[in-house]
Amino acid sequence: DADVTQTPRNRITKTGKRIMLECSQTKGHDRMYWYRQDPGLGLRLIYYSFDVKDINKGEISDGYSVSRQAQAKFSLSLESAIPNQTALYFCATSDWVQGGETQYFGPGTRLLVL
Amino acid sequence: GQQVMQIPQYQHVQEGEDFTTYCNSSTTLSNIQWYKQRPGGHPVFLIQLVKSGEVKKQKRLTFQFGEAKKNSSLHITATQTTDVGTYFCAGPEGGSEKLVFGKGMKLTVNP
Repeated sequence: DADVTQTPRNRITKTGKRIMLECSQTKGHDRMYWYRQDPGLGLRLIYYSFDVKDINKGEISDGYSVSRQAQAKFSLSLESAIPNQTALYFCATSDWVQGGETQYFGPGTRLLVL
Repeated sequence: GQQVMQIPQYQHVQEGEDFTTYCNSSTTLSNIQWYKQRPGGHPVFLIQLVKSGEVKKQKRLTFQFGEAKKNSSLHITATQTTDVGTYFCAGPEGGSEKLVFGKGMKLTVNP
């Protein structure tokens, strides 16, 4: 959805470098998520945030950190990139209503760590 | 924790064939959702099922929620090349209600 944007769309970096992936949304949603996708492994949750003051680890948070700068912005950082962090990264937002949430994904960032 | 499993993980069909894929949860779900990711794209919400036994159709796609609200199926009739992609099911985790995704079912179609 154009309402969820990710920058950069593609990135090549070297082992040991710090890198930040950014996500912005204009949907006004409180909940935001970071996933990584690897072939055959589906979507794995890295971190999630239910509001600006709430940050939670997902199933694979090691080696990653996040910052929720505002309701609309959620950044993912790799403090010291390693080759097995090469993956496709998705940001998502959701509107939680009675009965559950629906997630809206950004276009993704392809990261290659050499 | 809650698990959502999809079978099969890969499906290759001939154009025009029908097929069904399944999604099973380790816990009872308040609702189940399906998403589709086209090759090179991002997951996009398709549908949500809420009621026990609920059936919804979108053109050639039929979605069903199991009576016990622990499983769901997606049936595609007369598969077309436009159906190619990865289909994810997802169910809310108890408490937070955040979604737990299955690993996806990758569909390829032989024209």
